[in-house]
Amino acid sequence: QLVLTQSPSASASLGASVRLTCTLSSGHSSYAIAWHQQQPEKGPRYLMKLNNNGSHTKGDGIPDRFSGSSSGAERYLTISSLQSEDEADYYCQTWGSGIWVFGGGTKLTVL
Amino acid sequence: QVQLVESGGGVVQPGRSLRLSCEASGFTFSGYGIHWVRQAPGKGLEWVAAISYDGSNKYYVDSVKGRFTISRDNSKNTLYLQMNSLRAEDTAVYYCARDNTGATFDYWGQGTLVTVSS
Repeated sequence: QLVLTQSPSASASLGASVRLTCTLSSGHSSYAIAWHQQQPEKGPRYLMKLNNNGSHTKGDGIPDRFSGSSSGAERYLTISSLQSEDEADYYCQTWGSGIWVFGGGTKLTVL
Repeated sequence: QVQLVESGGGVVQPGRSLRLSCEASGFTFSGYGIHWVRQAPGKGLEWVAAISYDGSNKYYVDSVKGRFTISRDNSKNTLYLQMNSLRAEDTAVYYCARDNTGATFDYWGQGTLVTVSS
C-alpha cells in the first residue's frame, strides 16, 4: 500500500534552516513526490516535484530558499533563511495508477 | 494568471445531494486534467477524484465511489462534483486543483466548505 509518513510537527528559529522529511512506504522507495504548503486559513500551494535522484522542479514563484533532496525512501524539503510566512503546514504527496496520496502533514512553527 | 474558483458549498442534511463547481481561467482548461481534494476540519488533505483533460477517464477514492461523480464542461471551463448520499464524514473544505502531468497538483483553488449536518 502506497503510504507517506510525515512527522506531525517541527520548529525552527527565524533566519535558520529546517529540513522536513517524508518517508515512502516499503516497496515504493523509487517514487517521486511533490511538496505543498498550506498557510493558515489559505488553500494549498504547490512548491515542487521531487524525484528519487533529488532533482526537483519548483512551482511558479517559489523562492530559492525552498529546495528538495532525496535519500532512499526519504524525501526532504529544506527551507533556509526562515521567515515568519513560512509558518505553515507542509504536505508531501505522491501518485500511483489512478490514485493520489498525501502524507499527514507537518506543522512548521517559526520561533 | 491561472485561477480556479470553487463554489456550491453549504450546509446539507445527511443523505441529501450537493453539486460543487470549479471555474477555471488563465489557461487552456481543455488541455488539463483536474482533481478534487478535500480537507476535513482540523485534518489533512485527502484526494477525492480526478478527471482527464477530455473527461474520458475518471478516478475516485474508495470512500466516495458510487456516491460522487466528477465531470467537466470544457466549453464553460468548468469542473463539477456531484455529491449524492452525503454523510457527516464528507464535511470538509473541497478544493479543485490542476493536474500536472498526471502526477501532482500545480495550481489550487481557495476551496468551498461543505457541511453535512442535520
